[in-house]
Amino acid sequence: SSELTQDPAVSVALGQTVRLTCQGDSLRNFYATWYQQRPGQAPTVVIYGRNTRPSGVPDRFSASRSGNTASLTISGAQADDEADYFCHSRDNNGNLLLFGGGTRLTVL
Amino acid sequence: EVQLVMSAAEVKKPGQSLNISCQASGYIFTNHWIGWVRQMPGKGLEGVGIIFPGDSQTRFSPSFQGHVTLSVDKSANTAYLHWSSLRASDTGMYYCVRVGSFESGVPYMDVWGKGTTVIVTS
Repeated sequence: SSELTQDPAVSVALGQTVRLTCQGDSLRNFYATWYQQRPGQAPTVVIYGRNTRPSGVPDRFSASRSGNTASLTISGAQADDEADYFCHSRDNNGNLLLFGGGTRLTVL
Repeated sequence: EVQLVMSAAEVKKPGQSLNISCQASGYIFTNHWIGWVRQMPGKGLEGVGIIFPGDSQTRFSPSFQGHVTLSVDKSANTAYLHWSSLRASDTGMYYCVRVGSFESGVPYMDVWGKGTTVIVTS
């Protein structure tokens, strides 16, 4: 199917590690890009490709993939990481703009 | 610095037409795909479509195919999203995005505009 599924909400204690997941059949063949969106702002990229961070993104963000699941891991979450996170990929039918529903991350 | 400057918010009635625009600067416009992502109020991101300014190739998400058109003006480094007949369900924030590259077949949207709010109401 052409869907990407994310948990709607996740919380993490300050300084702890959290893993956000994105599930979909197409992820067996394609990587996910991860976008962070803070309230009232446009999204920005935190990870793309296999596990590449754009300049300026802290190295506590990392990505991995196993089977039909892509994961974004934040090692040592900071208050500034509280945001919505969206995964994006493509499907096997040529839809290049497939997004997950997003995960709202709360840092406690 | 790469920038995408988007047109102002719009309030329209159902059935009306609308163009919103995105002016790019800071890079060679014809070298990168450029596209649109919608966010309805309080909801997630939905890809609309992308266009390659070099030859106007387009790729649409299935749910938007046939309802919107994409175009570019290369002389003005500007991309457009066009509706010929708006629906109330078109209400949302529309982001202009630049595709930095394709990573193993997946477009990586590296630059985002600040968004244009479109409200369609009778």
